[in-house]
Amino acid sequence: QSALTQPPSASGSPGQSVTISCTGTSNDVGGYDYVSWYQQHPGKVPKLMIYEVSKRPSGVPDRFSGSKSDNTASLTVSGLQAEDEADYYCSSYVGANNVVFGGGTKLTVL
Amino acid sequence: QVQLQESGPGLVKPSQTLSLTCTVSGGSISSGGYYWSWIRQQPGKGLEWIGYIYFSGSSYYNPSLKGRVAISVDTSKNQFSLNVNSVTASDTAVYYCAKTDWTAFFDCWGQGTLVTVSS
Repeated sequence: QSALTQPPSASGSPGQSVTISCTGTSNDVGGYDYVSWYQQHPGKVPKLMIYEVSKRPSGVPDRFSGSKSDNTASLTVSGLQAEDEADYYCSSYVGANNVVFGGGTKLTVL
Repeated sequence: QVQLQESGPGLVKPSQTLSLTCTVSGGSISSGGYYWSWIRQQPGKGLEWIGYIYFSGSSYYNPSLKGRVAISVDTSKNQFSLNVNSVTASDTAVYYCAKTDWTAFFDCWGQGTLVTVSS
């Protein structure tokens, strides 16, 4: 199975919005509304930020939002803050009890 | 609040078997409703799903690792375990265990444990 495709890097200034894409195929991202997003600060444990494409777990700021169009899912961070600087990973169910991650995107707050 | 904790050797010799255990507290694996996953992250690299298991013992694996990996569950100890056989240096990674929802999101993670494969 192939990893989902994410841009290696993204950046924005404080207060701005940035969108990270996660591209798959009709067999994964496009076939299921089971895309999730994780934030990982250096040396830390990944943290669930979005599940089932657009749902936010309790405690995640509403500055984080998710969406999907065809085979591409997106994570948007609005009102960027310094603490949002981290690596972000998408994940998708791909059927047959199989899960795949994206390669990760390093978000830099300028 | 469910908590997970990985345990096991931090150093494994090439060609040997890597064995890790995840102990779950604050909730029972036997209560069902969730899968229990292993995920790894090679140094400086991204996340890789290894596989997951249900309390019944049904297990599912990443096709790229199938054949070398086995996940088991011990409901009496509220633990699940990972075995990776015939390890090489490329199996060096931080290994995480995670509670996994039916829709395949990982909502609770262990702290991770670094396993180095070296002679």
